[in-house]
Amino acid sequence: QKEVEQDPGPLSVPEGAIVSLNCTYSNSAFQYFMWYRQYSRKGPELLMYTYSSGNKEDGRFTAQVDKSSKYISLFIRDSQPSDSATYLCAMSAGNMLTFGGGTRLMVKP
Amino acid sequence: EAQVTQNPRYLITVTGKKLTVTCSQNMNHEYMSWYRQDPGLGLRQIYYSMNVEVTDKGDVPEGYKVSRKEKRNFPLILESPSPNQTSLYFCASSLTDRQETQYFGPGTRLLVL
Repeated sequence: QKEVEQDPGPLSVPEGAIVSLNCTYSNSAFQYFMWYRQYSRKGPELLMYTYSSGNKEDGRFTAQVDKSSKYISLFIRDSQPSDSATYLCAMSAGNMLTFGGGTRLMVKP
Repeated sequence: EAQVTQNPRYLITVTGKKLTVTCSQNMNHEYMSWYRQDPGLGLRQIYYSMNVEVTDKGDVPEGYKVSRKEKRNFPLILESPSPNQTSLYFCASSLTDRQETQYFGPGTRLLVL
């Protein structure tokens, strides 16, 4: 079993929809949780990070962490075609970062 | 402009021919790392460095070497590349080892024949 599990998708939604992306993990030592967006043929770019449990909002993006369930989510409101990309969750317990496999999102006009 | 650069961006080589992929950052970051990205396996950390002359193994270090002689540079060395090292490689840097604000380079696509 992988340490971080993420549904690979693809997830296809119409423009304007609310998107929910999720990851589950098994290592209870993870304390920092990040979401990255990766466009085709580009390096990942950091979208959001949270420390421990709770919610964090940044514009159309909301990150949630539930450490008791070992479950993290990224919500995208009013999704746009430009949001079409692969979304990677990542977690850290110290010096190393562990990534999920990524979920490919397609937002159709 | 704050950035992480990698060279080359694309490389085709043959088994056993030593190669080096360079990585440089201009943000004065302490922490640098190398990842490989493979379909279905996601990003996996190869090596990381917390500061000059301090390096450590990640999840998949076999077949790779690194060095950190200067703060800004962190080259990845494949002494004897093999076909199973065909992959997309990313260098990344962050201000601290917590990595909550990690910047990635554009990637190096390597094909080993």
